[in-house]
Amino acid sequence: GDSVTQMEGPVTLSEEAFLTINCTYTATGYPSLFWYVQYPGEGLQLLLKATKADDKGSNKGFEATYRKETTSFHLEKGSVQVSDSAVYFCALAVTSGSRLTFGEGTQLTVNP
Amino acid sequence: ETGVTQTPRHLVMGMTNKKSLKCEQHLGHNAMYWYKQSAKKPLELMFVYSLEERVENNSVPSRFSPECPNSSHLFLHLHTLQPEDSALYLCASSPRDRASTGELFFGEGSRLTVL
Repeated sequence: GDSVTQMEGPVTLSEEAFLTINCTYTATGYPSLFWYVQYPGEGLQLLLKATKADDKGSNKGFEATYRKETTSFHLEKGSVQVSDSAVYFCALAVTSGSRLTFGEGTQLTVNP
Repeated sequence: ETGVTQTPRHLVMGMTNKKSLKCEQHLGHNAMYWYKQSAKKPLELMFVYSLEERVENNSVPSRFSPECPNSSHLFLHLHTLQPEDSALYLCASSPRDRASTGELFFGEGSRLTVL
């Protein structure tokens, strides 16, 4: 079945550090890939997405590239801020209405 | 503002109480979902409704009873819950057509504490 494996957390960084959160997937077919973010006390918000191989999703300084050859969708940001502290979820969906499969989430804490 | 509104945001109830969680979406979607998020556990999909018909029930105990009266509203009725049911309950919606990429739109969640 479909699955998503995320880098284990928690991850703690200093402000302005470079961030990578690894995500790999297993899927039948050609999934769409997503990163969701959950800020403290809130629900999940879509951060970025990519719907086909080699697409790059980007938003708020975060980027992730859909790599079919390595079945990966790693999240990166060049300079993190304290306000980026949150839990980040990688997810996939095979198109035609199938449900989303989530990774376990990675807690990020950014210290000033 | 995601277009998906959940009420109440916080709920404390005893094990013998009956309460309901409400979700409303203003996005014109025709599929709605309940997820449970517990500390240090992956998101658990509980129920899926498509066009107001329940299409998925992932072995959820009968003390949780969903209701979808129309495509914009989703309820989760709670009765005789256990302390281990304390969690954040998330509602989500999505379009269910061939143009959909599978993206879900989440509400902010209802934080439930069972005493």
